[in-house]
Amino acid sequence: GAVVSQHPSWVICKSGTSVKIECRSLDFQATTMFWYRQFPKQSLMLMATSNEGSKATYEQGVEKDKFLINHASLTLSTLTVTSAHPEDSSFYICSARGLGEGNSPLHFGNGTRLTVT
Amino acid sequence: GESVGLHLPTLSVQEGDNSIINCAYSNSASDYFIWYKQESGKGPQFIIDIRSNMDKRQGQRVTVLLNKTVKHLSLQIAATQPGDSAVYFCAETTGNQFYFGTGTSLTVIP
Repeated sequence: GAVVSQHPSWVICKSGTSVKIECRSLDFQATTMFWYRQFPKQSLMLMATSNEGSKATYEQGVEKDKFLINHASLTLSTLTVTSAHPEDSSFYICSARGLGEGNSPLHFGNGTRLTVT
Repeated sequence: GESVGLHLPTLSVQEGDNSIINCAYSNSASDYFIWYKQESGKGPQFIIDIRSNMDKRQGQRVTVLLNKTVKHLSLQIAATQPGDSAVYFCAETTGNQFYFGTGTSLTVIP
């Protein structure tokens, strides 16, 4: 149980275009979802935390107008990278936590490799 | 807080030996800690967790030790196998956000 599905697994886009990444909880209701970014050979950097039905909380230094997060339902959160540039190329990973899980491990998706040309 | 911009330290061990991976966390208010394993191109996979009211927890072939005095966490892997080769991250949380440590790249030599 507790499967998180992320789509697409990889995407290549041209500079200036926008890309949407989906994160779905398949067998549980995800009240909170977390979006991370990971550069090669580096750790996961928390970008934002989103609770279903409310605005996402962004970490310091993360541009909320560039990385749009929507968590409109208990099973789906989306991250849209707007006006993408080559420096946005990275591995984006979502994770989710269910209702009442409190302090419990996050369930992670398998990530999306974004390449901006 | 997070470790940003730091490259992964590496650890190489012989197959069958024990591995010890260390992590220093930053927030003394963190009350829950998790070790994750990440294979190339995949998301993190849960290994073992520990709450702040404990100092040791054992799983199958893995043990986590927590020293709150010096804000240090370690993961011990017994009889390391080639399939254990991966990057290992610790994560800390106070409940709202989860922050990851720098990570360690483990290579098991057959």
